[in-house]
Parts: sequence; C-alpha cells; structure tokens
Amino acid sequence: EVQLVETGGGLIQPGGSLRLSCAASGFAVSTSYMNWVRQAPGKGLEWVSILYIGGNIYYADSVKGRFTISRDSSKNTLYLQMNNLRAEDTALYYCARGGVGGSHSPLDSWGQGTLVTVSS
Amino acid sequence: DIVMTQSPDSLAVSLGERATINCKSSQSVFSSSDDKNYLAWYQQKPGQPPKLLIYWASTRESGVPDRFSGSGSGTDFSLTISSLQAEDVAVYYCQQYSGTPRTFGQGTKVEIK
Repeated sequence: EVQLVETGGGLIQPGGSLRLSCAASGFAVSTSYMNWVRQAPGKGLEWVSILYIGGNIYYADSVKGRFTISRDSSKNTLYLQMNNLRAEDTALYYCARGGVGGSHSPLDSWGQGTLVTVSS
Repeated sequence: DIVMTQSPDSLAVSLGERATINCKSSQSVFSSSDDKNYLAWYQQKPGQPPKLLIYWASTRESGVPDRFSGSGSGTDFSLTISSLQAEDVAVYYCQQYSGTPRTFGQGTKVEIK
C-alpha cells in the first residue's frame, strides 16, 4: 500500500527556516515524480515544487530561491527545506506522488499534510 | 504560466441531480505526441487531502464511481457528477500537468440543495 507521511511543520517566526520530511512506503521516491503542494487556511491548492526522477527540479515563483526540494533514496524520504519564511507561506503542506504518465503525471497519492505557521 | 479558471465557484444541486463543473486553461494542455490532455480533477472533502478522480481529462482513477466523468480537450474541460450523492459534497479542483509550474483551478464547492 502506498503511504506518504509528512512531518516537520510547526510555528516559526518570519525569516526562519524549517525542513519538512515526507516518508514514503509502498514505492520508491527515487523512481517517482515527487511534488509538494500547499494549502493556506481556507484557501485552494497551490503547487510548490517537483523533483523529477532524473533530478530536474522546478519551483513555483512564490518560493523560488527560498525553498529546496530533495530526496534521500536510502531513507525513501522527500524533503522541503524552507528558508526565509514569510507569513504568506503559512499553509498545510502536502507531499504527493506523480502517478501514470512519467514526467507528465497527475498526483495519485497524497499525504495528510503538515501545518506550517509563520508568525511572530 | 498556464492559468486554470473554474466555473462556477460553488453550486448547489439536489440529490440525484446532475452537477457540472467547468475548467478553462489559458493555453492548450493537449499533447500531440501522445494524443493526451494533461488535465486532472481532484476531490477534497473537509479535513482530508485531495483525491485524484480523473486524469488525461477523461480517465477515471481506479475505484472512482462511474457517476464521475470528465470531458473536453485543448483548453476547455468539464467534470460531471451524473447523480449527486450526499458523499459527493466536497471542493473539486482541476489541475494541468502539461507544464511547470503545475497549476490548479481555484476550486468549486459542491453542496446539496
């Protein structure tokens, strides 16, 4: 069974840093197109980043230069390093797996999310 | 960036009636190389993560009831619930996975009338 479990969220002051983790089971993150998607309280879904199997990485403009996506194949875990956090980064952060279709794939499995609150 | 616009923002439908949600992309998400539309629909119930319903614009994900169907091509797409059930109350999102950034529509809230 495919499972994704995000951890690492919490309350952080503006300008601070957090690292989110997404532990995967039932499949290998190294052979999947892995994404981070966030949802601000009461708002819609916002795509954040994708890590391709081959290592290509893309970010939303809103996080480019501040967030870094990575993976550890030995731990079968996806990460999101978030630096210089802003109030507008407050959201529930989901990791999601790209499904069928290779580099152009819908998100077929999602974690429950981890909440990041940026506030002084 | 490809902008995804859904309509309406919300709709209320009687149990057993049809519900239709529209999604328009600012540029085509059709790929001539594999003859596919890179368009997905997700359902999100309160307190839950999104769930994939439809991909390639019209292919139902395994286990999704057949009352859910997707249609459209190029820039105009629809999600139809043929006979609304109480458990279908949710927010529905379209998403393009043609280019980066991947983008979602703003969501459509479906309620019971």
